[in-house]
Amino acid sequence: EIVLTQSPDTLSLSPGERATLSCRASQSVTSSYLAWYQHKPGQAPRLLISGASSRATGIPDRFSGSGSGTDFTLTISRLEPEDFAVYYCQQYGSSPGTFGQGTKLEIK
Amino acid sequence: QVQIVQSGAEVKKPGASVKVSCKASGYPFISYAIHWVRQAPGQRLEWMGWIYAGNGNTEYSQKFQGRVTFTKDASASTAYMELSSLRSEDTAIYYCARGYTARITSTTVGYYFDYWGQGTLVTVSS
Repeated sequence: EIVLTQSPDTLSLSPGERATLSCRASQSVTSSYLAWYQHKPGQAPRLLISGASSRATGIPDRFSGSGSGTDFTLTISRLEPEDFAVYYCQQYGSSPGTFGQGTKLEIK
Repeated sequence: QVQIVQSGAEVKKPGASVKVSCKASGYPFISYAIHWVRQAPGQRLEWMGWIYAGNGNTEYSQKFQGRVTFTKDASASTAYMELSSLRSEDTAIYYCARGYTARITSTTVGYYFDYWGQGTLVTVSS
């Protein structure tokens, strides 16, 4: 199965700054079938991005996804206070789908 | 709007079974699959399988085959996950999520999850 490695494990930034989160796959992800989720404690995870770069319904345009093959990036252009959370990537181009270990985005 | 609400936390003894419910609203329940994903402490999210809410077809991850059963009650727009022969390693938060299918090849598909429940903590302890 494909192993996803996210970096960094923790990212400390201030509101208004730009966040860049990385997700690297152990082998190429078919058709860029990669999704990103936001997860806050005690809440339901929220789909942000599918197909590596397509924003889900209702997701603000400060969130963007890019990449292909084995390297993918989630960028948050200007952090808002509500953006501090854990972010997971997931590949669904091969079975079974697998998740990264998560990046915690915390307030500096 | 789409909402998925799961049942409350459970504490079980080793060897017992647990049944978690997942009630969906805001969309035609029978038109989508419900997937189950769990996260044990300090571990990654792990896909367990799915049930198609229309016809009840299921697919189980090999890891859980024989120990997990998915069912649904379409009249109540509710899906259920029952895990048996519980052991301490099954302590985890269990999530249900609506699945979106992506075609990989002519015979295989992949899934991502567009709406999730809030999670149900299952603790297995003697």
